[in-house]
Amino acid sequence: GENVEQHPSTLSVQEGDSAVIKCTYSDSASNYFPWYKQELGKRPQLIIDIRSNVGEKKDQRIAVTLNKTAKHFSLHITETQPEDSAVYFCAASMDTGGGNKLTFGTGTQLKVEL
Amino acid sequence: DAGVIQSPRHEVTEMGQEVTLRCKPISGHDYLFWYRQTMMRGLELLIYFNNNVPIDDSGMPEDRFSAKMPNASFSTLKIQPSEPRDSAVYFCASSLSAEQFFGPGTRLTVL
Repeated sequence: GENVEQHPSTLSVQEGDSAVIKCTYSDSASNYFPWYKQELGKRPQLIIDIRSNVGEKKDQRIAVTLNKTAKHFSLHITETQPEDSAVYFCAASMDTGGGNKLTFGTGTQLKVEL
Repeated sequence: DAGVIQSPRHEVTEMGQEVTLRCKPISGHDYLFWYRQTMMRGLELLIYFNNNVPIDDSGMPEDRFSAKMPNASFSTLKIQPSEPRDSAVYFCASSLSAEQFFGPGTRLTVL
């Protein structure tokens, strides 16, 4: 089955700096890679996703890159703000259009300091 | 839409008791997922349904766990008998396309 590794486990940045979180996956058949944000005590929420037919996707301050050959993908957050503080999870699956069986990474605790 | 609804939000029970967690997916979504989240193991998929039919239950830890979806609006996850190691946050999620929408979770504590 799929195995997803995520690094670092904790990340502390100054407000305004950039943050990068990296994930690797094992199953070359995986082609859907979402990122979820989970604030303390709250539910995970999708913030961005990428499919293997593209190498990069951006949404305002958030971008995700994918290297399918190396089987790794990364989340980039620019101009970090205190409200970006949360746990971020990457995930991987085959995209079946609906019932995607997601395998999650172990999460990165991001802390944005003033 | 109210989003995915889960009940109860918190459950404290004693070892050996039966626990039933409930989920109402977003109306119109045809996939429903049950996840368990712990510090040690992270977010794990337990089982998921498509149109009320279980598709993959390979993540269900053991026979003490069972899940049902009697109709498109309701699913249950049952643990019988419960054990302290079952303590976790259990999330239900639903989807119509790739994006999964999570419920608020049920925090289960087994004493």
